[in-house]
Amino acid sequence: NAGVMQNPRHLVRRRGQEARLRCSPMKGHSHVYWYRQLPEEGLKFMVYLQKENIIDESGMPKERFSAEFPKEGPSILRIQQVVRGDSAAYFCASSLGQTNQPQHFGDGTRLSIL
Amino acid sequence: QQPVQSPQAVILREGEDAVINCSSSKALYSVHWYRQKHGEAPVFLMILLKGGEQKGHDKISASFNEKKQQSSLYLTASQLSYSGTYFCGTEISDNNNDMRFGAGTRLTVKP
Repeated sequence: NAGVMQNPRHLVRRRGQEARLRCSPMKGHSHVYWYRQLPEEGLKFMVYLQKENIIDESGMPKERFSAEFPKEGPSILRIQQVVRGDSAAYFCASSLGQTNQPQHFGDGTRLSIL
Repeated sequence: QQPVQSPQAVILREGEDAVINCSSSKALYSVHWYRQKHGEAPVFLMILLKGGEQKGHDKISASFNEKKQQSSLYLTASQLSYSGTYFCGTEISDNNNDMRFGAGTRLTVKP
């Protein structure tokens, strides 16, 4: 399967714990985007990364949230000291990064905070 | 910067037609359309780039007006498989980092 791979599909954490969400982009794609989706709502942009660079993190909360896309390995969205309000579906998308190229989405990680 | 979609929800019978609109207060660089079924990933449908452009995908097609501030998605002779939430994503430049999605239009097709 050469599509965007996200894991885990479901993640349960207790308040105060850390959540790590992983995203392997589609083969050949070096541009990764993270979105957050609450039930029955739209996709809210969080961050846009290229290999080893954060290009735009204007949608990321200033505290507790961080993202990286290392030279080797998947992109990671990290949420520290999770709170109930962090419960959501987090989608990763990747693209070729060229003008007018579509974003291809992974199946998402459903994060539940107890 | 987030585009405005309308309507919020549509309920159709099989075979009926629907139109979903996506509007921006600024001229757009491009419009992307996606469909998301419940519990699944959004799936890319099509991109429109040029003012006045129309593009088709099976019985689903879209247009982009001349001023590049509005796009419409047309679903004709709807099928049960068309059910889902449709999102438009709009870019105001070719920087790859400014696409933002509308709130979505939930389409339900009933037998």
